[in-house]
Amino acid sequence: QSALTQPPSASGSPGQSVTISCTGTNSDIGGYNYVSWYQQHPGKAPKLMIHGVNKRPSGVPDRFSGSKSGNTASLTVSGLQADDEADYYCSSYADNNVVVFGGGTSLTVL
Amino acid sequence: QLQLQESGPGLVKPSETLSLTCTVSGGSISSSSYYWGWIRQPPGKELEWVGTIYYGGTTYYNPSLKRRVTISVDTSKNQISLKLTSVTAADTAMYYCVRPQSTSGWVSFEYWGQGTAVSVSS
Repeated sequence: QSALTQPPSASGSPGQSVTISCTGTNSDIGGYNYVSWYQQHPGKAPKLMIHGVNKRPSGVPDRFSGSKSGNTASLTVSGLQADDEADYYCSSYADNNVVVFGGGTSLTVL
Repeated sequence: QLQLQESGPGLVKPSETLSLTCTVSGGSISSSSYYWGWIRQPPGKELEWVGTIYYGGTTYYNPSLKRRVTISVDTSKNQISLKLTSVTAADTAMYYCVRPQSTSGWVSFEYWGQGTAVSVSS
């Protein structure tokens, strides 16, 4: 069982927006502003999309945004495109110098 | 452009020690106070943080692996290494070498190697 809880799947049509949730505890998401999101296409290494809850690395489109409320973080993908179809993982810093991941969400672009 | 390349045996026998190396090119391991780490992903499963090392030697390990894992750096070779002892089938995974993003502590992983697949089987 993963430390962070994500829905196993999400979907949306091209051009629409979809939000993926990631629920933790006061010891991880709720206690620190160190939530990250990764995109992973099949057979590829993950790619960092969001760090520090809502910061985008250089080159990541502004269609990707992150937020946090209490013990739940969210990734929103706006203007869905076919290439957004991938697995998405959240992670967070946790007490005692630990990093925890979510179980992953498979995003389908209909 | 920073590049990370993992290498090591693709097959390890149960109870033996898994040893992997990550060779860094396009930058020095010891420059700019960087951290380095390993993340693994069993087939069809989620990502799992293995551990992180500061080039100066401080290490942080996943508590579930702490008794069996050692991460170290060799600045002369610009390499990071991972050793995992007493492996079982549960250690079968793709192992990724990573470098964190520089402005969010050491907990967001911006640079990834292509990964090296390790299978534990007799």
